[in-house]
Amino acid sequence: GAGVSQSPSNKVTEKGKDVELRCDPISGHTALYWYRQSLGQGLEFLIYFQGNSAPDKSGLPSDRFSAERTGGSVSTLTIQRTQQEDSAVYLCASSRDGGETQYFGPGTRLLVL
Amino acid sequence: GENVEQHPSTLSVQEGDSAVIKCTYSDSASNYFPWYKQELGKGPQLIIDIRSNVGEKKDQRIAVTLNKTAKHFSLHITETQPEDSAVYFCAASMGPRGGSYIPTFGRGTSLIVHP
Repeated sequence: GAGVSQSPSNKVTEKGKDVELRCDPISGHTALYWYRQSLGQGLEFLIYFQGNSAPDKSGLPSDRFSAERTGGSVSTLTIQRTQQEDSAVYLCASSRDGGETQYFGPGTRLLVL
Repeated sequence: GENVEQHPSTLSVQEGDSAVIKCTYSDSASNYFPWYKQELGKGPQLIIDIRSNVGEKKDQRIAVTLNKTAKHFSLHITETQPEDSAVYFCAASMGPRGGSYIPTFGRGTSLIVHP
């Protein structure tokens, strides 16, 4: 079946602009995660959604970052007033019922000029 | 919180040689240790994992070992092939937390296999 998809694949924006990144998880997966991968770094956890529970936002680096998940499926990560240090690859993953195995999307490469 | 250290950051081998990547973790409560392979332009893909009640696990040319006492675990790739070239990430998690496993990742190892 289809894997996790993300859009856009690449995004170039100007400092101060807002951006929205989209994630479509694997159908039937109730858990959805967002990570940030900076150049030469590991994956940094941002936020986690599980079913109808309140999201775990403990990894969001500032209040400029927010995410929502509508209808228990598609998720949007929003970065307001982008800064150059926000440039990174943003990865989305999903898992079945919050299980151990996470399936990652290809990521969105964000460049803030 | 959990801290995962991964070494080396870059590993260059000849085709057919073995490759070993090592990770250490800090929190003895961690109980699940996945390894991911990330090819250029793609998201990470799980290649093997191990739980804290197991010392070793093998899957064809790859194997993972875990030493709970020393809090370290390693990935072993035998008979390396050029298509093994990628960035490999280790991770550690204690779960479920809030109903899920949220891993802490190492910084990655860039493996280059020369034909």
